[in-house]
Amino acid sequence: DGGITQSPKYLFRKEGQNVTLSCEQNLNHDAMYWYRQDPGQGLRLIYYSQIVNDFQKGDIAEGYSVSREKKESFPLTVTSAQKNPTAFYLCASSSQRTGAIHYGYTFGSGTRLTVV
Amino acid sequence: AQSVTQLDSHVSVSEGTPVLLRCNYSSSYSPSLFWYVQHPNKGLQLLLKYTSAATLVKGINGFEAEFKKSETSFHLTKPSAHMSDAAEYFCVVSPISNFGNEKLTFGTGTRLTIIP
Repeated sequence: DGGITQSPKYLFRKEGQNVTLSCEQNLNHDAMYWYRQDPGQGLRLIYYSQIVNDFQKGDIAEGYSVSREKKESFPLTVTSAQKNPTAFYLCASSSQRTGAIHYGYTFGSGTRLTVV
Repeated sequence: AQSVTQLDSHVSVSEGTPVLLRCNYSSSYSPSLFWYVQHPNKGLQLLLKYTSAATLVKGINGFEAEFKKSETSFHLTKPSAHMSDAAEYFCVVSPISNFGNEKLTFGTGTRLTIIP
């Protein structure tokens, strides 16, 4: 079955440590996205990529980094510069073409990151 | 630019009674509109979408939504609530344009509680 796989489901980070969240999709989607979700604040966009080897900052990119070396993969690194990283992180993808109506995102099941 | 407002942060209904979750949008173009559902510690699942076809859209699990351009609304309804409907619901907007690659804009969410 096609879908998006996020791993790990739970992740614990020590102060000053970088951690990487994995996101893999087998939907052949061009675009991929990372969102952060905090209680009562909805979803906030961290980074997105519309094509391999290209990505753009979202609304809250500071303290995060990404790469898009393969169409299927869009890992997110939470660096030590992110002062409040405890949150639920969601990866999404979509198939987008010029002139096409937007058909929405497919989401992964999320990674809960906790600073210990 | 587009925006979306979910008018209620929390809605409680009794099991077997109707559900109404309200959403208003603002968009520079004719929009695509979506409702997503999120159960605790899970990713978001697409309930239904409007993409300029029929204004009354039927989705999964008995939900439906009506696009009303004159009122700039896209309210989500269900005739009879079930305990399994308890979740967070997000209204989402994206413009229809010649590019088809715009990011989705999420509402802040409505938490639906079902009273036994």
